[in-house]
Amino acid sequence: DTAVSQTPKYLVTQMGNDKSIKCEQNLGHDTMYWYKQDSKKFLKIMFSYNNKELIINETVPNRFSPKSPDKAHLNLHINSLELGDSAVYFCASSRAQGQTPQFFGPGTRLTVL
Amino acid sequence: SQKIEQNSEALNIQEGKTATLTCNYTNYSPAYLQWYRQDPGRGPVFLLLIRENEKEKRKERLKVTFDTTLKQSLFHITASQPADSATYLCALEGGNTGKLIFGQGTTLQVKP
Repeated sequence: DTAVSQTPKYLVTQMGNDKSIKCEQNLGHDTMYWYKQDSKKFLKIMFSYNNKELIINETVPNRFSPKSPDKAHLNLHINSLELGDSAVYFCASSRAQGQTPQFFGPGTRLTVL
Repeated sequence: SQKIEQNSEALNIQEGKTATLTCNYTNYSPAYLQWYRQDPGRGPVFLLLIRENEKEKRKERLKVTFDTTLKQSLFHITASQPADSATYLCALEGGNTGKLIFGQGTTLQVKP
């Protein structure tokens, strides 16, 4: 059983395009996150939602917009893609906001050409 | 600014030995510290969480220490096995936010 799933696993697109990455968790968790892992393997938080409410919004270009239709889903939409957006994006979830382990999805490797 | 440092060089050890990984931090007062394992092409997997008032936490062959005076956490894997080969990430959390700040990770290679 997949706990945190993301689609697509790979995404190759041209500069200037708009794309979305979807995330779903079947763990019954209240909090979901988006992370970006760059080529140097640094994992950096972008957003978090708790019960569909935006909690963490790091210094991320406003071309990135998260959307949480319900507690089990957190999608990431990216407008006007740039070369620097190429990275692996991970979705994660946790039982509560803070003080608990986070469960990560398999990642989406985004390549912007 | 907040900084987390893990050994950037890979750690190579012989099977059966104890691996010790270090996580140092500055300009930060974390309430919690977590360790994750990441295999190539996969997402991080949670291993252990330790609170600031706990000195040590154990889980099977894993042991984590947390010294808030030294601003350091040590992660030990005893009786290491080739299957333990992976990148290990430490992550700090300041309070009840869920905001984890990750180190760059240390790659462990256990040779048979």
